[in-house]
Amino acid sequence: DIQMTQSPSSVSASVGDRVTITCRASQGISSWLAWYQQKPGKVPKLLIFAASNLQSGVPSRFSGSGSGTDFTLTISSLQPEDFATYYCQQAHRFPLTFGGGTTVEIK
Amino acid sequence: EVQLVQSGGGLVQPGRSLRLSCTTSGFTFGDYAMSWFRQAPGKGLEWIAFIRGKAYDGTTEYAASVKGRFTISRDDSKSIAYLQMNSLIIEDTAVYFCTRVLHGSLGEADHWAQGTLVAVSS
Repeated sequence: DIQMTQSPSSVSASVGDRVTITCRASQGISSWLAWYQQKPGKVPKLLIFAASNLQSGVPSRFSGSGSGTDFTLTISSLQPEDFATYYCQQAHRFPLTFGGGTTVEIK
Repeated sequence: EVQLVQSGGGLVQPGRSLRLSCTTSGFTFGDYAMSWFRQAPGKGLEWIAFIRGKAYDGTTEYAASVKGRFTISRDDSKSIAYLQMNSLIIEDTAVYFCTRVLHGSLGEADHWAQGTLVAVSS
C-alpha cells in the first residue's frame, strides 16, 4: 500500500498568514493527489485534484503543487473560514490512502 | 445540481448486516465511478470501496479491511449506489460517506453525500 505522510499534524496561524501543508507519498504517484478540507461535523470538500488543479468554486487563495512523492497545499492568506482539518489522498493506485490530516487552528 | 443522499445506517449488533443506499441526481450516473469512504469517531478518512461506471462494466475494488464482507453495487436505471455490509464488527463503527468520483480519476471524490453513522455494538 502507498503510505501518505502529512506534516505538520497541526498548525496554529492567524488570519492573513500564509500556511503550507506538505504530503509525502511512500512511492511515486505522478500527480494523482487530492486535497480535502473538513470542518468539524461536516462532509469533506474537494479543494485540489491532480495535485494542482483547483476544484470549481474553491477560492484562489488555495493552491497545490508537486509531483512524484512530494506535494504541498498552500493557503496564501488564511481566512476565518479556513480553520479546518486538511487531508491529502493518493488516487494513483488501490487501495486509495489518505494522510493523517493537518488541523489548522486559530493562533 | 449534483446531489447525493444517503439512507440506511444506524445501530446494529456485531455479526449482523446493513445496507446503505446513495440516491443521486443531477448527473448521468452511469458515466461515473462511485466510492464509499468512512471515518471512525475522532479519526481520519478511510477509503473502503469503489465501483467503476458502465463503460468499465461496473468492476469493483475494496480495502483489505472490508474485502469479503462488504459489497458495493450500483443500479444505473435508478441512479443509486449501494454498500452491503455483512459480518459487521465493532471496528466498522464510523460515519460512512458515498461519493462521486471525479471523471477520469480513480479516487478523487468531487461530490459527497451527507454521511451516515453506522454503530456496531452489542
